[in-house]
Amino acid sequence: GQNIDQPTEMTATEGAIVQINCTYQTSGFNGLFWYQQHAGEAPTFLSYNVLDGLEEKGRFSSFLSRSKGYSYLLLKELQMKDSASYLCAVRPPYGQNFVFGPGTRLSVLP
Amino acid sequence: ETGVTQTPRHLVMGMTNKKSLKCEQHLGHNAMYWYKQSAKKPLELMFVYNFKEQTENNSVPSRFSPECPNSSHLFLHLHTLQPEDSALYLCASSQDLAGGRETQYFGPGTRLLVL
Repeated sequence: GQNIDQPTEMTATEGAIVQINCTYQTSGFNGLFWYQQHAGEAPTFLSYNVLDGLEEKGRFSSFLSRSKGYSYLLLKELQMKDSASYLCAVRPPYGQNFVFGPGTRLSVLP
Repeated sequence: ETGVTQTPRHLVMGMTNKKSLKCEQHLGHNAMYWYKQSAKKPLELMFVYNFKEQTENNSVPSRFSPECPNSSHLFLHLHTLQPEDSALYLCASSQDLAGGRETQYFGPGTRLLVL
């Protein structure tokens, strides 16, 4: 079966650090993606991991452990504009039939 | 702006109506996708087209009918929908289906309400 879990909602304070977790059980794995989606807008690409370890990109970092079926997205120096939903998606071994998690709605408070 | 546009942005239709959603990508991509996003549910892939040929149909009911006349345009024809079909319908494109860190670029979606 295909299953991806993420916390439904998280709240953090401006300037803080927040970690959004994603666990997956999928039939095959060929990369994990994180997307950001503001209300009423298109999801936009944030990061990609296919090997274990940490990928850093400015204020955002993403970590992957394939043996544990686990990833997290780390957001540093939070800004109000980071309030959005964050979607975790796993690509299967072949093709582009991504499996998406339910998304985590992050609220950044002043 | 992601280079993928969708029209209309909002649509209200009755169960007996026929309507079409349109997607256009200006990125020179070869693969296009339709997704359904319902409240509190994950994004669900509906259809995939690569070089105008349909490569995936995720057991979507026949009341949804896709059309891809060329690599830049994708349509979703709707007829005799049900209220549970109310959702955000997202179009996406990617360079191809090859994989790697190739990501998909999403349009802003059409918010559909079926009465």
